[in-house]
Amino acid sequence: EIVLTQSPATLSLSPGERATLSCRASQSVSKFLAWYQQRPGQAPRLLIYDATKRATGIPARFSGSGLGTDFTLTISSLEPEDFAVYYCQQRTNWPPPVTFGGGTKVDIK
Amino acid sequence: EVQLVQSGAEVKKPGDSLRISCKGSGYRFTKYWIAWVRHQPGKGLEWLGIIFPGDSDTRYNPSFQGQVTLSVDKSSSTAYLHWSSLKASDSGFYYCAKTMGAAATEWYFDLWGRGTLVAVSS
Repeated sequence: EIVLTQSPATLSLSPGERATLSCRASQSVSKFLAWYQQRPGQAPRLLIYDATKRATGIPARFSGSGLGTDFTLTISSLEPEDFAVYYCQQRTNWPPPVTFGGGTKVDIK
Repeated sequence: EVQLVQSGAEVKKPGDSLRISCKGSGYRFTKYWIAWVRHQPGKGLEWLGIIFPGDSDTRYNPSFQGQVTLSVDKSSSTAYLHWSSLKASDSGFYYCAKTMGAAATEWYFDLWGRGTLVAVSS
């Protein structure tokens, strides 16, 4: 199983600040990594796929980078609605072919 | 409107059977995989498995193989998640989610249901 480790577990920031979230894979997933946002009481929402591509309707302040085992989600300037939990997800041929990271909570400082 | 509509919350006892549903609309249901994802309080997301409505091709997370069964009814554009004997540890929110495309390299989930709460307690 490919294990995704997200850090930090919690990120305390103020609106307008830059958020940098990390996701590290236990082995290479090439570019096959996605990021999701989950607000309280809501389903996850796809933000980024193939490591760097923004999903439909996602604001430009969200960007993804990385390849292989180390990936980053950056929120350039936090809006009030961005305080949520963020998960990374990989898709490869390893069983299971899909795994999620443990999540990073971005909360208001 | 493109959406996945899930069945309502369930309260069950250990040993009960249960089937929850996920109905797709607004898109070609048989063209995209449907995955099931569990979210338990204080924990991250867990992928249970995935099914292709076009031919019922199914893949399971080995951690859930034998514990749950995925199925689909093409005629009603509905996917199902079934337990034959629930345990208290099965309690949680269960989401269905649609993939971006039919290819395995497109197993990212761009449409999610609102989730079904399953509570198992004696």
